[in-house]
This record gives sequence, structure tokens and C-alpha cells, in this order.
Amino acid sequence: GDSVTQMEGPVTLSEEAFLTINCTYTATGYPSLFWYVQYPGEGLQLLLKATKADDKGSNKGFEATYRKETTSFHLEKGSVQVSDSAVYFCAQSAGSEKLVFGKGMKLTVNP
Amino acid sequence: KAGVTQTPRYLIKTRGQQVTLSCSPISGHRSVSWYQQTPGQGLQFLFEYFSETQRNKGNFPGRFSGRQFSNSRSEMNVSTLELGDSALYLCASSLERVGQETQYFGPGTRLLVL
Repeated sequence: GDSVTQMEGPVTLSEEAFLTINCTYTATGYPSLFWYVQYPGEGLQLLLKATKADDKGSNKGFEATYRKETTSFHLEKGSVQVSDSAVYFCAQSAGSEKLVFGKGMKLTVNP
Repeated sequence: KAGVTQTPRYLIKTRGQQVTLSCSPISGHRSVSWYQQTPGQGLQFLFEYFSETQRNKGNFPGRFSGRQFSNSRSEMNVSTLELGDSALYLCASSLERVGQETQYFGPGTRLLVL
């Protein structure tokens, strides 16, 4: 069935370090792909999305490119900040009016 | 524009009781989805409603049910609560389609079953 596999961490980085969170998916069709972020005590917020192959989503310095050939949607940021500490979820639309999420990865950024 | 609101934010129940959670979507949004978040299982899809009709349902027992009203507000109900139902229940809304559109999430209702 449709699924999402992502790095689970937890991961601790120093401020200004480079961040990559790997995400791969399996799907029967051509899903839209999303990265959501969850700050402590809050719901999920959309970070970025891509709706077709080779699309690049970007927001707040984060980027991810929809790679159909490798079924991947890796999240990257060149220089993380303390305020980026959160849990990051990769998700796909699964083509049927629902989102399928990865397990989430907790990121802590130290000053 | 106000975001997705969920009430109550926190709830403590005992096994065997039932509970009703409420969600008000963003104004103009007609699709409402519910998710259960637990440390062990992560985020799991419960169901999705559009124009008062359930369009999709996840793999949860029949104790979990929901409905949507004509103003798009939604409720979910869990009957005969079990310890394993302790979780954060998240509601999300979108204009019409889940697959292509951004889903906006509420802050969640944290349910503790004792």
C-alpha cells in the first residue's frame, strides 16, 4: 500500500549546520508530497509541498525536490537555527483524500 | 482569517466511557480530516468528511465515528474508551481536495484514558 519512510532521529545539530532529512515513498499513482513541521504543544504546519515530478518546494530556507525516479522528497536546509527545533513529518497524498505520514523526525538545534 | 479550532484541548476520561471531540474548520473550507497521533504509531488517518459525507475512512474500529454538519464543523466520537485510545487527536481542514491542497491543522485535543 501507500507509505512514507523517513529518517526518525532524534537528531541534534549545532546552529548553522547543514540539515538533510531523507524521505522516500511508495504509491500506486502520482501523489503530491508534503513536509509538515510540528512545534512543541502545537498542531502541524505545512512547511512546503510539491505536486508533480521535478517540482521544488521551498519555504523559510528549507527545500525539497520531488524525484519520481528515486521516489524521494528529501528535505534540506543550508544553515539551521535554534528556532528550527521541531518534529518534521514527510507525507504523501496517497491519491484518496487522505495524507499518509512518515514517523516524524525530532530535530534539536543547539546554539 | 481564524485557523482551525478544536475543543476541548485536554480531556481525561476513564476506560469504558465515551468522548466527543469538536473541530471548526477555517471559514470556507468544506473538507475536514481527523488524525490520531501517538508516540508508537505516529500519525494515523481516521476519516475525512466533505459536505457532510464521509469520503474516506482509516483502519480504526467502529468505536471511532464522526460526522460533519452543514456549516462544515465536525465532531468525532469514541465509544467504550480503551487505554490505547490515549493520544493527540488532530483535525485538519482544506477547501475541497486533500490530495492537492494544503491541509491546515488545529492544535489538537489531547485525550488521556485512565
